[in-house]
Amino acid sequence: GAVVSQHPSRVICKSGTSVKIECRSLDFQATTMFWYRQFPKQSLMLMATSNEGSKATYEQGVEKDKFLINHASLTLSTLTVTSAHPEDSSFYICSASLNTGELFFGEGSRLTVL
Amino acid sequence: QKEVEQDPGPLSVPEGAIVSLNCTYSNSAFQYFMWYRQYSRKGPELLMYTYSSGNKEDGRFTAQVDKSSKYISLFIRDSQPSDSATYLCAMSTNAGNMLTFGGGTRLMVKP
Repeated sequence: GAVVSQHPSRVICKSGTSVKIECRSLDFQATTMFWYRQFPKQSLMLMATSNEGSKATYEQGVEKDKFLINHASLTLSTLTVTSAHPEDSSFYICSASLNTGELFFGEGSRLTVL
Repeated sequence: QKEVEQDPGPLSVPEGAIVSLNCTYSNSAFQYFMWYRQYSRKGPELLMYTYSSGNKEDGRFTAQVDKSSKYISLFIRDSQPSDSATYLCAMSTNAGNMLTFGGGTRLMVKP
C-alpha cells in the first residue's frame, strides 16, 4: 500500500512552546490530507482537512489558531500545535488518500506537554 | 445515534478461532468501506478496501458488505495472537471524501 510518513513519532515539550508535526506522502501525491487526534482507548477524531495550496478546513470545536495546518506541497502537510498546554497531550495522526478513495495513515505522533 | 456503530468489545478468542467483526451504519449513501487494524500507539493500517456490496478476500481476511442491511463484516480465519489489536471500520460516500469511523473493536487472541 501507499506510504505516509509522520515525524516526529514522539515529542515532549514544555508548556507554552510550539510543536510542529510533519506528514509526508512518500510514493504518491496527495491534494488532501487529514489530521486526527486520538485519546487513549478512543477512536479517531477528525481535526481538520488539509488542502494543498489553500486553507485547511477545521472541524467544529477545533481552534484554528491553536492548531495551525500548512499544506505547502502535494507531499507535505504540517500541523503546528501553538502554545501547547498539558491538555494538548495526545496522539496525533495524519492520513492521505489515493484518488481511488483508499486512505492511508501515518505512524502517529505522541505529544506530551509538561 | 451514531452514523457508524461498532461493538467496542473486548472480544477474546482462542488462537485458531474464526473472528467476526461487524459494523452497522445508517447513511445509505456510503459506498466505500474500509477496515483498519490499529496496534497500541501506532497509526491505523489499512487491511481491506471494498466498493459497494459483495465480498473481498485477502489471505486470512474476508470483508463482506451488505448494503441492503447497512451491515459490513470482517472475518479473520485461523486467528493468531499477533492479530490482537483494535479493528476500525470506516466508510465514505465518495472516493477521497472524509471517512466516517466506527468506534473500534478491541480483539484479543489468546495463545
